[in-house]
Amino acid sequence: QKEVEQDPGPLSVPEGAIVSLNCTYSNSAFQYFMWYRQYSRKGPELLMYTYSSGNKEDGRFTAQVDKSSKYISLFIRDSQPSDSATYLCAMRSTNAGKSTFGDGTTLTVKP
Amino acid sequence: DVKVTQSSRYLVKRTGEKVFLECVQDMDHENMFWYRQDPGLGLRLIYFSYDVKMKEKGDIPEGYSVSREKKERFSLILESASTNQTSMYLCASSQKWVPVAGNTIYFGEGSWLTVV
Repeated sequence: QKEVEQDPGPLSVPEGAIVSLNCTYSNSAFQYFMWYRQYSRKGPELLMYTYSSGNKEDGRFTAQVDKSSKYISLFIRDSQPSDSATYLCAMRSTNAGKSTFGDGTTLTVKP
Repeated sequence: DVKVTQSSRYLVKRTGEKVFLECVQDMDHENMFWYRQDPGLGLRLIYFSYDVKMKEKGDIPEGYSVSREKKERFSLILESASTNQTSMYLCASSQKWVPVAGNTIYFGEGSWLTVV
């Protein structure tokens, strides 16, 4: 079983919808949680990161971490066609030099 | 802004050829990584390096080697390319662990390798 499981998608929503992207994990040592966005034929770029449990908001994006359930989510409000991309969750423990990634969820926002 | 530059975006190589993928970062990061990304398999770590001349195997090191002679440069080497190494290769870098910043990873644009 993988350490990080991500909802596989693909996901297709109309413009303006609220999108929820989710990952679960099994390693209780994970403390840092990241979301990356990857446009087609480009490298991933960091969207948000959070430390430990709680919520973090940045514009239309909200990252949520529930360590008790080993579950993280990324919410996108008022989704736009420009949000169409693959979203990767990633996480790492405090002292680890490397992160563990989910497989990614491909999102399409239709005008 | 952090910049991770992969010298080759698109390559076509023949089976058995030796292939070098070069990566340079300009932020004095200690850690550097090579991943490959395949549909349905996500990002898989090949090798990483946390210091000059240091390297550690990732999840799928077979068929690959790496070289880090300078802090800013991390090379991935395919000694004898095979068709199952056709993939997108991503280089990345990060600082050594920094508690507040979370030590996020910065990726290059990717190198698309086709082995025929």
